[in-house]
Amino acid sequence: DAKTTQPNSMESNEEEPVHLPCNHSTISGTDYIHWYRQLPSQGPEYVIHGLTSNVNNRMASLAIAEDRKSSTLILHRATLRDAAVYYCILRDGDFGNEKLTFGTGTRLTIIP
Amino acid sequence: KAGVTQTPRYLIKTRGQQVTLSCSPISGHRSVSWYQQTPGQGLQFLFEYFSETQRNKGNFPGRFSGRQFSNSRSEMNVSTLELGDSALYLCASSTGAGGSDTQYFGPGTRLTVL
Repeated sequence: DAKTTQPNSMESNEEEPVHLPCNHSTISGTDYIHWYRQLPSQGPEYVIHGLTSNVNNRMASLAIAEDRKSSTLILHRATLRDAAVYYCILRDGDFGNEKLTFGTGTRLTIIP
Repeated sequence: KAGVTQTPRYLIKTRGQQVTLSCSPISGHRSVSWYQQTPGQGLQFLFEYFSETQRNKGNFPGRFSGRQFSNSRSEMNVSTLELGDSALYLCASSTGAGGSDTQYFGPGTRLTVL
């Protein structure tokens, strides 16, 4: 499985944008970039995913570098509820590969 | 649409016993995956079932097994429990389409082995 590298922890002030980086230099052409987050005492929650182009949804935006070797999850206006561990995961696009390989993720702390 | 449900939510067992955990996927989802989460190892993939067949398997001993029923509900079994099996067991369901698919996780079953 292709590996991802994320900072162990980050802090951000409430109501400010947050940029969470992820490096994936060994990404293959068929790998999708997925982001999940895990709030305390809960199962992981899907945030966003993309292949080549930048993506937006109601939760966040995903900015993918042109060479696809890195990406950034953007939370436009952080709230206390966004405090969680964020995981950047590469998933092979082949049908039948449901395995998610979680790294250690980035623990995001929101400062009121 | 109801989410993924897992039962029981909490379980206490003793070493040597066996345990069965249950997962009900989102309606219409045919794939169920199981994960183990511990403070030391993080989130690790156990196995995935699709249409009653095990399709992917992680690196866990044979004491960990599972099955899936025709209604896509899945069970996971751990035999001869060890202290190190204490963990949060999570299941996730999806349509099974692969890399572009989204997995939806349940709240987990917290297993404590004494």
